[in-house]
Amino acid sequence: GAGVSQSPSNKVTEKGKDVELRCDPISGHTALYWYRQSLGQGLEFLIYFQGNSAPDKSGLPSDRFSAERTGGSVSTLTIQRTQQEDSAVYLCASSLSRGINEKLFFGSGTQLSVL
Amino acid sequence: SQQGEEDPQALSIQEGENATMNCSYKTSINNLQWYRQNSGRGLVHLILIRSNEREKHSGRLRVTLDTSKKSSSLLITASRAADTASYFCATDEYGNKLVFGAGTILRVKS
Repeated sequence: GAGVSQSPSNKVTEKGKDVELRCDPISGHTALYWYRQSLGQGLEFLIYFQGNSAPDKSGLPSDRFSAERTGGSVSTLTIQRTQQEDSAVYLCASSLSRGINEKLFFGSGTQLSVL
Repeated sequence: SQQGEEDPQALSIQEGENATMNCSYKTSINNLQWYRQNSGRGLVHLILIRSNEREKHSGRLRVTLDTSKKSSSLLITASRAADTASYFCATDEYGNKLVFGAGTILRVKS
């Protein structure tokens, strides 16, 4: 596709359930980010993938959160045993390379609601 | 982690007026970027300024960068109702991952 695609666009789940959020970056983009945005707040960095390098997981809030990127392309963010405080918009972004001057292209996000 | 802090948190102006937003950051950077967000979803890149640049223009946007003060400003001239959005600065913390500030909510009244 022409842009960054995220699915689902909305996800409602019950507390304690696991959820998987998917991100399809722009073809050829080697850098991929996940951010979380709570209502009315800024973007909270979660995790950063760059090519085949080990991901920067320093922003993951707890061990219930994990992410993988298969084949250097599609990424999945998994939240286990969801809690109400996990409710937020999860945004994925990609850029062409790790070049220091590369801008990010964002998907439309997944709105996660934990009941 | 959040690197940049925008100021003010919210700004309300009349159409045709200029809007100025400020961003401060803490670490060394290679570049600083500004993004716009409509309706709480995906962000759109507006402009990038490198650490060795002091000012940059793009259409009605003017960005300045003062690395000695670790601050940047975004000026939108002749604002329009369509400029109503949230604006975020982002910096590459220590030349690595891109970290965003809390944002400024701009409302342009027609």
